[in-house]
Amino acid sequence: AQSVTQLDSQVPVFEEAPVELRCNYSSSVSVYLFWYVQYPNQGLQLLLKYLSGSTLVESINGFEAEFNKSQTSFHLRKPSVHISDTAEYFCAVSASPSGNQFYFGTGTSLTVIP
Amino acid sequence: DVKVTQSSRYLVKRTGEKVFLECVQDMDHENMFWYRQDPGLGLRLIYFSYDVKMKEKGDIPEGYSVSREKKERFSLILESASTNQTSMYLCASTSGDDYGYTFGSGTRLTVV
Repeated sequence: AQSVTQLDSQVPVFEEAPVELRCNYSSSVSVYLFWYVQYPNQGLQLLLKYLSGSTLVESINGFEAEFNKSQTSFHLRKPSVHISDTAEYFCAVSASPSGNQFYFGTGTSLTVIP
Repeated sequence: DVKVTQSSRYLVKRTGEKVFLECVQDMDHENMFWYRQDPGLGLRLIYFSYDVKMKEKGDIPEGYSVSREKKERFSLILESASTNQTSMYLCASTSGDDYGYTFGSGTRLTVV
């Protein structure tokens, strides 16, 4: 079975500052890793994913995450945040790329302060 | 783009009522899922379905049932709503060739 730990439940950060949202997973099999974002009063949207290949993956809005197998981590980073990045972020793991069953972390609430 | 539509954004029901939450997807996805989302607990899987008329229990199926009579529709049923079922309910779908879920906008259910 897989599990995901997001240690930081809330992360406040000033606008234009860098941010890192931490995600660690445990699994006895190869995994596929995802970050989802949930804006207020909306469903979850896929932000980025690691399936194979390069361990550094990027999203279209400046976020990136690095798969570190030895550390069993998939931390999400952005060098300079905007007010519009305020949202809940969920890390998820699946044993298959099609994600027939995901395991989600408890989420990290990112608040960007003007 | 794949669209997953949940029929209600907000629902208020009384304890003991039978509640139906509807989810429809428009991209012929085989796999559909129901999660509930609670603060500090993240998303927990209630039920999922890989095909019409089939269903599998997730991590927290107690107090819920599901129905999938057509490929595009996956319904979550609360047989007798209780206050501890007050939550945000999220539906998601994916195909065997897709990578990652597509989620609906969620239904915030309050049971009073």
